[in-house]
Amino acid sequence: QKEVEQNSGPLSVPEGAIASLNCTYSDRVSQSFFWYRQYSGKSPELIMSIYSNGDKEDGRFTAQLNKASQYVSLLIRDSQPSDSATYLCAVRRSGGGTSYGKLTFGQGTILTVHP
Amino acid sequence: SAVISQKPSRDICQRGTSLTIQCQVDSQVTMMFWYRQQPGQSLTLIATANQGSEATYESGFVIDKFPISRPNLTFSTLTVSNMSPEDSSIYLCSAVRSSYEQYFGPGTRLTVT
Repeated sequence: QKEVEQNSGPLSVPEGAIASLNCTYSDRVSQSFFWYRQYSGKSPELIMSIYSNGDKEDGRFTAQLNKASQYVSLLIRDSQPSDSATYLCAVRRSGGGTSYGKLTFGQGTILTVHP
Repeated sequence: SAVISQKPSRDICQRGTSLTIQCQVDSQVTMMFWYRQQPGQSLTLIATANQGSEATYESGFVIDKFPISRPNLTFSTLTVSNMSPEDSSIYLCSAVRSSYEQYFGPGTRLTVT
């Protein structure tokens, strides 16, 4: 089992719809979760971080975390063509010492929002 | 967030040569990392750049191939040594401040011929 897995995609949604991106992780004691957006030819851009169970909203983005199910998701409301990108889920590795701050990334989900 | 710059932004190198990539952050950070992203793939952590001491490498990456320096809290270099076409990739540095949020530089696109 991969440490961080994302729905395989690609995901295509019409403009104005809700895009739902999902991620599961294997390390039960993980505490910090991140969503990055990566446009083609660009570096990853942090768009959401979540540390506690429940929902966290920022504009059109909502991150959802369920630690019992080891599941984190990202919802994009009122999707726009400019949201078309690869979305990467990242989980901070548990433990201190040499693991401090390190992230493990999922394989990414390509989202296309069509007009 | 952190403003991170990398030099060069891209390079084409010959097999057997070495390239040093520089990463500069706009202010002091606690952690700096180097990643590789191969075409169509996700990010793979190469190593943690430790200030004033040897870098901590992930499984599959060794110091002789990817020597890293971090002389202060805002600057790090990654060298890709004795390059082969398999090293063609995007190399990214990242930085963490007091929170766990990690920010990435623009990347260096390396092509080895």
